[in-house]
Amino acid sequence: AQRVTQPEKLLSVFKGAPVELKCNYSYSGSPELFWYVQYSRQRLQLLLRHISRESIKGFTADLNKGETSFHLKKPFAQEEDSAMYYCALFVGGTSYGKLTFGQGTILTVHP
Amino acid sequence: DAGVIQSPRHEVTEMGQEVTLRCKPISGHNSLFWYRQTMMRGLELLIYFNNNVPIDDSGMPEDRFSAKMPNASFSTLKIQPSEPRDSAVYFCASTSSGYTDTQYFGPGTRLTVL
Repeated sequence: AQRVTQPEKLLSVFKGAPVELKCNYSYSGSPELFWYVQYSRQRLQLLLRHISRESIKGFTADLNKGETSFHLKKPFAQEEDSAMYYCALFVGGTSYGKLTFGQGTILTVHP
Repeated sequence: DAGVIQSPRHEVTEMGQEVTLRCKPISGHNSLFWYRQTMMRGLELLIYFNNNVPIDDSGMPEDRFSAKMPNASFSTLKIQPSEPRDSAVYFCASTSSGYTDTQYFGPGTRLTVL
């Protein structure tokens, strides 16, 4: 069965420092990967997906199939980036398959 | 659109009681998901409906949990009887089509079972 591992439950950095939230997955095929974010007092929302290959709020994530990783990175963290981040893996088709979330990482950016 | 609506926002109940959580997906969305969030296990997918039909309920923890979607605009998640270990935040989310479209989450229901 596929699994998503976010090894850090808590991550603290200072404003302006680079940040990397780790996500490793276990699946041998071609997965779809996502990052979801939940800011304080807001709803959980999609941050980015690997197929879009886009940068959202300065964050990027590259799928590394060799290392089965999808780490989320930002070169200069901002205080407003403080939030809970979930990595998610989807295996299957449009109306069937399995969606699995990691345990989440709470990012705190200190001033 | 108000987005996905969940009620109640908070529920405190005693062990053994029946709990019903409600969800109204975004109008026009044909896929609905129920999740449970805990510190220990993170976010777990409980059940997925497509066009009101349960497609994947493999995440439902046990027979005490049941979910229904009688029509395109309403779903319930019921726990009977409730236990303290069911205490968590329960989210509902909807997409326009299937798993991989952007999931729009509701605000969640914080359930506390005493």
